[in-house]
Amino acid sequence: DSGVTQTPKHLITATGQRVTLRCSPRSGDLSVYWYQQSLDQGLQFLIQYYNGEERAKGNILERFSAQQFPDLHSELNLSSLELGDSALYFCASSVVGLGSHNEQFFGPGTRLTVL
Amino acid sequence: AQTVTQSQPEMSVQEAETVTLSCTYDTSESNYYLFWYKQPPSRQMILVIRQEAYKQQNATENRFSVNFQKAAKSFSLKISDSQLGDTAMYFCAFMKHGGGAAGNKLTFGGGTRVLVKP
Repeated sequence: DSGVTQTPKHLITATGQRVTLRCSPRSGDLSVYWYQQSLDQGLQFLIQYYNGEERAKGNILERFSAQQFPDLHSELNLSSLELGDSALYFCASSVVGLGSHNEQFFGPGTRLTVL
Repeated sequence: AQTVTQSQPEMSVQEAETVTLSCTYDTSESNYYLFWYKQPPSRQMILVIRQEAYKQQNATENRFSVNFQKAAKSFSLKISDSQLGDTAMYFCAFMKHGGGAAGNKLTFGGGTRVLVKP
């Protein structure tokens, strides 16, 4: 158990819909990352938040957005869903800064299926 | 931008034998981290081993060790005394040191599927 929790584990929805994925980082970790794992794109970085602020953006679609709340949990919002958005979405967390090993610990993932 | 390449899509190994997974990367950075992650059938991503680029000594974690060749931009993983529980997808990953505008994102290779046979 990495200490990172994600809900829900599975999500099945229809095209055009909107969903919210939730992540709670390990205790003490200020940074949260979202990754997408799909068959055709592999593992791709979407976005990073650090202590409530957006830190870096990757290949995140405009239909996707995220935020990190004061209690450090994070949500990834996916809207106008398309079939190609079906994937495993991982949240990871880490301590960032001097003295850290910059290791990212991953949650169990949310499997999104868009029908 | 950094790229990570794993040239072996799939490898099989007999139980108790040794297998080596290849990883090459491309970067203009001089200071960075390299990681190997394991993804078993459960899909959980598990950190196997970490290497800081400024350290010349190769990292070792029990039966897992790396061969880090900075000049060649190569970072291979050796699994010794393979066990059935080692059956998984293995991903090589790169992280730039210091973050900055790029943050602390991981850039992953395409993965190598390892099958340990009894």
